[in-house]
Amino acid sequence: EAGVAQSPRYKIIEKRQSVAFWCNPISGHATLYWYQQILGQGPKLLIQFQNNGVVDDSQLPKDRFSAERLKGVDSTLKIQPAKLEDSAVYLCASRPGYSGANVLTFGAGSRLTVL
Amino acid sequence: KNEVEQSPQNLTAQEGEFITINCSYSVGISALHWLQQHPGGGIVSLFMLSSGKKKHGRLIATINIQEKHSSLHITASHPRDSAVYICAVRSRSTGANSKLTFGKGITLSVRP
Repeated sequence: EAGVAQSPRYKIIEKRQSVAFWCNPISGHATLYWYQQILGQGPKLLIQFQNNGVVDDSQLPKDRFSAERLKGVDSTLKIQPAKLEDSAVYLCASRPGYSGANVLTFGAGSRLTVL
Repeated sequence: KNEVEQSPQNLTAQEGEFITINCSYSVGISALHWLQQHPGGGIVSLFMLSSGKKKHGRLIATINIQEKHSSLHITASHPRDSAVYICAVRSRSTGANSKLTFGKGITLSVRP
């Protein structure tokens, strides 16, 4: 089966600019996650979707970050305006949405550098 | 205190050595994941454990639920095993709301 697709793989922008990342999860996976991984740290959850609904966005900096999954399939994560501290790898992951389905598959990540 | 602690923080080994990476957690869990992340690469799931022990090739993962501790062992280590190894635990909440908490990861370098 195809994996979790993410694009772009790399993005360099200046602070105060905007950026958008795209994720296409594994077909049929109802649960989709966006994680932020700063260099030297473990991934931090930004937002979790169940189909097209938000389950957890408690750690999403909502003044500048937004995410949507309008049709319950692919998702976009946007940062506007970017700050230097947003430099990180943004990881998308998906898993089947039913209880007990703990298999989690990650995408390759989108590496953002903010100058 | 972090919910998931990993040790050692960095590890350097000689090719062929037996390597152990540890993970301790402080919450009730339904499952524990061991993940591998190569430099510049995505994350690959190595194991998912809820009890006992699992083996895949040269990798062995064990978990002790009572002690809230898991270990990842690499036998006959090879330079291609060089990567960051991340432990993540899924909280005991059911269904879609169960939360995955990650450790900071351990950077392993295996020298030829």
